[in-house]
Amino acid sequence: DTGVSQDPRHKITKRGQNVTFRCDPISEHNRLYWYRQTLGQGPEFLTYFQNEAQLEKSRLLSDRFSAERPKGSFSTLEIQRTEQGDSAMYLCASSLLRLIYNEQFFGPGTRLTVL
Amino acid sequence: ELKVEQNPLFLSMQEGKNYTIYCNYSTTSDRLYWYRQDPGKSLESLFVLLSNGAVKQEGRLMASLDTKARLSTLHITAAVHDLSATYFCAVDRQETSGSRLTFGEGTQLTVNP
Repeated sequence: DTGVSQDPRHKITKRGQNVTFRCDPISEHNRLYWYRQTLGQGPEFLTYFQNEAQLEKSRLLSDRFSAERPKGSFSTLEIQRTEQGDSAMYLCASSLLRLIYNEQFFGPGTRLTVL
Repeated sequence: ELKVEQNPLFLSMQEGKNYTIYCNYSTTSDRLYWYRQDPGKSLESLFVLLSNGAVKQEGRLMASLDTKARLSTLHITAAVHDLSATYFCAVDRQETSGSRLTFGEGTQLTVNP
């Protein structure tokens, strides 16, 4: 399978716990994105990487959120001290940087439930 | 701040009918993307529209872009049940290529027999 993969697919945690999600992009893609989607809404941008460099972070990304992409391959998104408001689908996407457009391909998502 | 609005948000239609979903955006951009999402699943890329007047068609779906009006449409022809899904439009910023997409709220389409 050559698509974007995410792990785990589902995560249930108690408030205050830390969680970490992993994303493996399409192998030749140099850009990797994280989005968050709540029920009935479109995805909201969180952050993105070009290779290993984190180039932009949304104001939605509080200090409790951190993302890494070591060696420009897979990425991890960690949420510390989870809150109930963090419950959402976390989507990863990747793209190949082109001059004129940026078609992003999405993974299956990780659904987080904070109890 | 770039805003993207879709309408309608909910659409129930009969098989065989035609309908159009509208996507308006607030700032200059000439790159517009349409995605489909099935319940509990991720987003599937449908169309990439790159210039004013661009039109793309795949099966019963046709997308168009009017950058002057800041409007894209997704037209459904002779709907079938398999088209039931949520459709999102998304825009990226004019001044950069390769950064964030801003999505609309989505149009939840239900095609009834």
